[in-house]
Amino acid sequence: DTGVSQNPRHKITKRGQNVTFRCDPISEHNRLYWYRQTLGQGPEFLTYFQNEAQLEKSRLLSDRFSAERPKGSFSTLEIQRTEQGDSAMYLCASSFSGLDTEAFFGQGTRLTVV
Amino acid sequence: DQQVKQNSPSLSVQEGRISILNCDYTNSMFDYFLWYKKYPAEGPTFLISISSIKDKNEDGRFTVFLNKSAKHLSLHIVPSQPGDSAVYFCAVMEYGNKLVFGAGTILRVKS
Repeated sequence: DTGVSQNPRHKITKRGQNVTFRCDPISEHNRLYWYRQTLGQGPEFLTYFQNEAQLEKSRLLSDRFSAERPKGSFSTLEIQRTEQGDSAMYLCASSFSGLDTEAFFGQGTRLTVV
Repeated sequence: DQQVKQNSPSLSVQEGRISILNCDYTNSMFDYFLWYKKYPAEGPTFLISISSIKDKNEDGRFTVFLNKSAKHLSLHIVPSQPGDSAVYFCAVMEYGNKLVFGAGTILRVKS
């Protein structure tokens, strides 16, 4: 399977705990994106990397969120001191960096904060 | 301020008929548009795209139309099949190839 892989698929955590998600992009892709989707909405951009460099972070990404992409391969998204409002589907996507190239999404990580 | 709007939350169509999904955007500077399909518990899957230099792009049963003056695009599915039942997202591409999505339209194709 050479698609985008995300782990875990589901995560239930208590409010205040820290969680970390992992994304393995398509190996040839140099760009990696994180999106968040809540019920009834489309995915919303959080941040993206080109190789190992984090090029942009959305205003949605509060100080409790941090993302890394060491060595320009897999990426992790960590949420510290989770809140109930963090409950959502977290989607990772990857693409080439050329103009007008579509992104390929993983299956997402469903986070539930109780 | 929604930059991409899909005003129909849901659409129901008979198998074999045409499905038309609509999308409006606000910024005339957008120049690349995409449609994604999403099944429950899966990530979005790329369906079809169109550049602003075109007004139509076709791929099998799927055709996307772009009306730049109206800032409107539509996705036509002909003929519709039960397996097309899913949530369809319209998206525009920003700098860095970031995507701005609409809220989605749930398509139900009845057999």
